Amino acid sequence: AQSVSQHNHHVILSEAASLELGCNYSYGGTVNLFWYVQYPGQHLQLLLKYFSGDPLVKGIKGFEAEFIKSKFSFNLRKPSVQWSDTAEYFCAVREGYQAGTALIFGKGTTLSVSS
Amino acid sequence: SAVISQKPSRDICQRGTSLTIQCQVDSQVTMMFWYRQQPGQSLTLIATANQGSEATYESGFVIDKFPISRPNLTFSTLTVSNMSPEDSSIYLCSAGEGTGGDEQYFGPGTRLTVT
Repeated sequence: AQSVSQHNHHVILSEAASLELGCNYSYGGTVNLFWYVQYPGQHLQLLLKYFSGDPLVKGIKGFEAEFIKSKFSFNLRKPSVQWSDTAEYFCAVREGYQAGTALIFGKGTTLSVSS
Repeated sequence: SAVISQKPSRDICQRGTSLTIQCQVDSQVTMMFWYRQQPGQSLTLIATANQGSEATYESGFVIDKFPISRPNLTFSTLTVSNMSPEDSSIYLCSAGEGTGGDEQYFGPGTRLTVT
């Protein structure tokens, strides 16, 4: 079965610091990759996604992620975080081109940004 | 994109009772999914609901405990039966085509507390 690992459980940063959140998955075939964010009291929102093509994908709010197939990784980055980025971040994977396949989520990383 | 609404948004229920959660999508979708997010945990897939067929349950979840209906392409319900405090969780509805190149959208969730 697929699994998704997020290396950092809780990350604490000061504003303007750079962010990198790790995500590794176990499936060896074609995958779709996602990062979702959950702000306090709000529902899940899609930050960015990778289906195919350029392995460096840009999302909303200045986030980007790089798909490295050889490392089974899809790490999330942001050059300079803001206090408003405080949230829970989830990496998710889906087997590509499989109809009816749901997302499998990592355990999430809590990001706390101090101003 | 699809907009998903859920009712109720939250509820407090007594042990041994049942609660039915409704999920409405603003467009027709092939696949609907139900997830559970326990306190401080990631999202765990409960089942996949396809219109016109029986829901497919993940390991650890059974139809008697979590019966699901999918009467049409825009609506689904999840019932949490014979509740215990361990069922206290956020229940999320999700929708999408579930194939490569497709996003999966999430509802706001239903926060259930069982006393």
